[in-house]
Amino acid sequence: QKEVEQNSGPLSVPEGAIASLNCTYSDRVSQSFFWYRQYSGKSPELIMSIYSNGDKEDGRFTAQLNKASQYVSLLIRDSQPSDSATYLCAVNPLQTGANNLFFGTGTRLTVIP
Amino acid sequence: ETGVTQTPRHLVMGMTNKKSLKCEQHLGHNAMYWYKQSAKKPLELMFVYSLEERVENNSVPSRFSPECPNSSHLFLHLHTLQPEDSALYLCASSQDLAGGNLLSETQYFGPGTRLLVL
Repeated sequence: QKEVEQNSGPLSVPEGAIASLNCTYSDRVSQSFFWYRQYSGKSPELIMSIYSNGDKEDGRFTAQLNKASQYVSLLIRDSQPSDSATYLCAVNPLQTGANNLFFGTGTRLTVIP
Repeated sequence: ETGVTQTPRHLVMGMTNKKSLKCEQHLGHNAMYWYKQSAKKPLELMFVYSLEERVENNSVPSRFSPECPNSSHLFLHLHTLQPEDSALYLCASSQDLAGGNLLSETQYFGPGTRLLVL
């Protein structure tokens, strides 16, 4: 059973602060990792993807991957109220060749003005 | 959102009804997916199609029947559903199936169909 675990939150941070979202996964052979943002009543929107160990930065967002410890995190710098959403972590084990993504339940982030 | 479209956006149906959900992608992708999102539960993959062929069926009940007539269109036919099938049904597409290439395997979601079964 492949599992992706996220703290459901809610996580509240003040505007301008750094929000740190964490995700752990159980399948050691997982190869690629994705962070999606989902506003209430909307569909998931891709924020970041990462494949290699280490950090990957895109604007205010940084994804961090540590395959040895089986965790992936998302940092949001200078948090804005518009960042308030649920953040979904997704893991692709790349075993079946069918591009199966396994999702966590998501972390709800609230940025307080 | 305009890359992957879904209709209808909202659907209410009785347990004896037959309805279909439609998904269309305008991205030139070869793979398409159906997901179910229920409250407080992770997104669940239902079906995967690649070049119009089904490559994955995650033990989905037969009251859900997918159809992929071409690489741009995906349908989900619904019949004799149960109230517990009420959920957000999301369609997604990717350039290709997994191949160690983040660009080709990244999935893009449509806006979803909010389904309520009475």
